[in-house]
Amino acid sequence: GQQVMQIPQYQHVQEGEDFTTYCNSSTTLSNIQWYKQRPGGHPVFLIQLVKSGEVKKQKRLTFQFGEAKKNSSLHITATQTTDVGTYFCAGQITGGFKTIFGAGTRLFVKA
Amino acid sequence: EAGVTQSPTHLIKTRGQQVTLRCSPISGHTSVYWYQQALGLGLQFLLWYDEGEERNRGNFPPRFSGRQFPNYSSELNVNALELEDSALYLCASSRTTGTVGYNSPLHFGNGTRLTVT
Repeated sequence: GQQVMQIPQYQHVQEGEDFTTYCNSSTTLSNIQWYKQRPGGHPVFLIQLVKSGEVKKQKRLTFQFGEAKKNSSLHITATQTTDVGTYFCAGQITGGFKTIFGAGTRLFVKA
Repeated sequence: EAGVTQSPTHLIKTRGQQVTLRCSPISGHTSVYWYQQALGLGLQFLLWYDEGEERNRGNFPPRFSGRQFPNYSSELNVNALELEDSALYLCASSRTTGTVGYNSPLHFGNGTRLTVT
């Protein structure tokens, strides 16, 4: 079936280190969204990427959409303790409407 | 703008019982989605309603069902509860997903924590 794979499952970093999570789809995506879920909270929308090769930045966060629109990444520069949580990618399959979430990457930041 | 509201926040049920969870979307949003999130795990898609119609359902047994009302609020019903149904049930709403290519962002509620004993 259609799947969106996300790696790694967990990542422990020291505060100040960089962090990257990767998202891969078995099929071409129309677009990809990224969400953040703080511990005990609910997912919150961060950004959407639509164009092939698109790169967007939000302060220390850089989001990329692959040229083939099958993969995406979220990179955080110089992590802070406020970055802790689970980051989910969510892809919309080309030609369809359903949004499929990746399993998420849980980020732990040690001060 | 009021966010997505879900009720109840917590629920404890016994195996075999039935439960109804409720969700009110953000005003102006016509699409409602239900997801199951088992402890520490990802989001498993349950159901999607738009304009009162069920548009898609995930890989869950028929004892998971729901509906969307004319005011776009929604209910999720789970019959014959099993222990593995214990999870956080998240409802999300969005503006109608009527355009392939652009996906309206999902706005999630705080969820209903269901414990089945």
